[in-house]
Amino acid sequence: QAVVTQEPSLTVSPGGTVTLTCGSSTGTVTSGHWPYWFQQKPGQAPRTLISDVSYKHSWTPARFSGSLLGGKAALTLSGAQPEDEAEYYCLLSYGDAWVFGGGTKLTVL
Amino acid sequence: QVQLVQSGAEVKEPGASVKVSCKASGFTFTASGLHWVRQAPGQRLEWMGRIIPGNGQTEYPQNFQGRVTITGDTSASTAYMELKSLRSEDTAVYYCAKQIGGVVYWGQGTLVTVSS
Repeated sequence: QAVVTQEPSLTVSPGGTVTLTCGSSTGTVTSGHWPYWFQQKPGQAPRTLISDVSYKHSWTPARFSGSLLGGKAALTLSGAQPEDEAEYYCLLSYGDAWVFGGGTKLTVL
Repeated sequence: QVQLVQSGAEVKEPGASVKVSCKASGFTFTASGLHWVRQAPGQRLEWMGRIIPGNGQTEYPQNFQGRVTITGDTSASTAYMELKSLRSEDTAVYYCAKQIGGVVYWGQGTLVTVSS
């Protein structure tokens, strides 16, 4: 089974920019992995932020964007707000199977 | 709107089994996969498998093969996840999840505690 890797933790200053990445042990992450990004706050279920690499939903703040970068999926936060402090998980699909990354704990400080 | 409503919290002894339900509404239950994901305290999300309720086809990751069974009742629009031979490491919140139109919708989660 593939292993999906994320940075365990990152810190960003309020108003700053940070990029979270999502890599695959099988090689380059492509659009065929249908990358998703989820935000999870303590005691809550995950919430879909970005789907299919870069698709934003009506509830996704404009400061979040998704892309493919250097063989990985990437989530960029531009203009961080205190409410963005959370755990972020990526999800890659391998055929019918889902594999989640280990999550990135993002601190806004 | 899309809703996934799960059964309530469970406490089980080691070696027992647990069966969690997920009642779906707001979408065509039989179409495409319904997934189960768990999250142990402070740990990552972990995919446990999925069912296509329309034909009963299931897929499980290797680390859960033989210990988890996912079933669906199309008449009740409800999916079930049964986990056998429970051990303390199975203490987690169990979620059902459905991917529709680029959004993954989640149930509210069911806490399963394994303790003697």
